[in-house]
Amino acid sequence: AQSVTQPDIHITVSEGASLELRCNYSYGATPYLFWYVQSPGQGLQLLLKYFSGDTLVQGIKGFEAEFKRSQSSFNLRKPSVHWSDAAEYFCAVGSSASKIIFGSGTRLSIRP
Amino acid sequence: DVKVTQSSRYLVKRTGEKVFLECVQDMDHENMFWYRQDPGLGLRLIYFSYDVKMKEKGDIPEGYSVSREKKERFSLILESASTNQTSMYLCASSYRREDYYGYTFGSGTRLTVV
Repeated sequence: AQSVTQPDIHITVSEGASLELRCNYSYGATPYLFWYVQSPGQGLQLLLKYFSGDTLVQGIKGFEAEFKRSQSSFNLRKPSVHWSDAAEYFCAVGSSASKIIFGSGTRLSIRP
Repeated sequence: DVKVTQSSRYLVKRTGEKVFLECVQDMDHENMFWYRQDPGLGLRLIYFSYDVKMKEKGDIPEGYSVSREKKERFSLILESASTNQTSMYLCASSYRREDYYGYTFGSGTRLTVV
């Protein structure tokens, strides 16, 4: 069965520091992978997606993610975080856009 | 940009009431979804629909029903609200069943059942 694990419930990073949010998935075939961000009180916004091709994917707001098949991972990275990046981040996996499974989320706090 | 609009941001209802949560999208998307979001549990799929008058159960359909009479509107119905249905409800839509562009989400409805 498909599943997504985000092992970090809450991460605090200093402003200007680099960021990596972890995501591991379980899926038998080639997965479709997504990262979403949710600001407080808002819905989810798509940051980036991977379907095939280059395993390093660029997204909005300066984020990128790398698909590593051998590790079943799709970690999200940003070289320098800004206070506005404080939010909850969700990794998701699906066999098609019609059935996507979300991880439990990682809450990111930014230290001034 | 496609917009998904949920009619209420906050709702307070009493136990046993019938509750309607409305969702409208304005870009002719075929697929629509209802999720609930609870701390530590992420998003859980309640129901989804690929077309008008079609509906399929998600992972946690118990206590809920849905209605899709028009392509742009997908309603979630709590037949008899209970306190364990207090949650954030998120509606989402996507273009076509075969498209892999991800979902567009509404801003959510925070429902409190007292």
